[in-house]
Amino acid sequence: EAEVAQSPRYKITEKSQAVAFWCDPISGHATLYWYRQILGQGPELLVQFQDESVVDDSQLPKDRFSAERLKGVDSTLKIQPAELGDSAMYLCASSMVQGLNTEAFFGQGTRLTVV
Amino acid sequence: AQTVTQSQPEMSVQEAETVTLSCTYDTSESDYYLFWYKQPPSRQMILVIRQEAYKQQNATENRFSVNFQKAAKSFSLKISDSQLGDAAMYFCAYGGGGLTFGKGTHLIIQP
Repeated sequence: EAEVAQSPRYKITEKSQAVAFWCDPISGHATLYWYRQILGQGPELLVQFQDESVVDDSQLPKDRFSAERLKGVDSTLKIQPAELGDSAMYLCASSMVQGLNTEAFFGQGTRLTVV
Repeated sequence: AQTVTQSQPEMSVQEAETVTLSCTYDTSESDYYLFWYKQPPSRQMILVIRQEAYKQQNATENRFSVNFQKAAKSFSLKISDSQLGDAAMYFCAYGGGGLTFGKGTHLIIQP
């Protein structure tokens, strides 16, 4: 069964360092999302791509976060510099199309700890 | 902006019993979807059930059903014949594509 792949599964980084996460969506899925899930809370959307274009990045802290999906397939989310408050689970999800009823398929996430 | 509220941080139910998880939301839109997602420990989030706002009939998927009250902006999930494998975090979500999630309810199944 096709799955959304994310790596690494776990990442520990020091404050002020740069860190990057990678996501490979289900083949053929045009829409890709990055969510941040702080412990004990629900996921919050950071950025949404339609193919290689950003559809929504209104909640992305652009002073330190960046996201790209250059060829419209896999995607990278970067944080530079990392802060203690960035410790969270970063989830990637994909869907076949963009729409109200579209099911999003989630990866297992990358758990980031900033020390 | 849409908001989703789950007022039960944790629920516990005996195996084979029925449990209902609550969710309320706020939106000014007339057409939208609502979802329940399940997040098992250390595993990816999966869709449990979805409901279109324009459909009056409540969605059902095997042991899972919803009670959708559009006027009250309420969207509860009922799990019948609870099984040990149902233990997980359950998130109510609004929209489609870019979802707005509630804070989740931790469901414990007592054997």
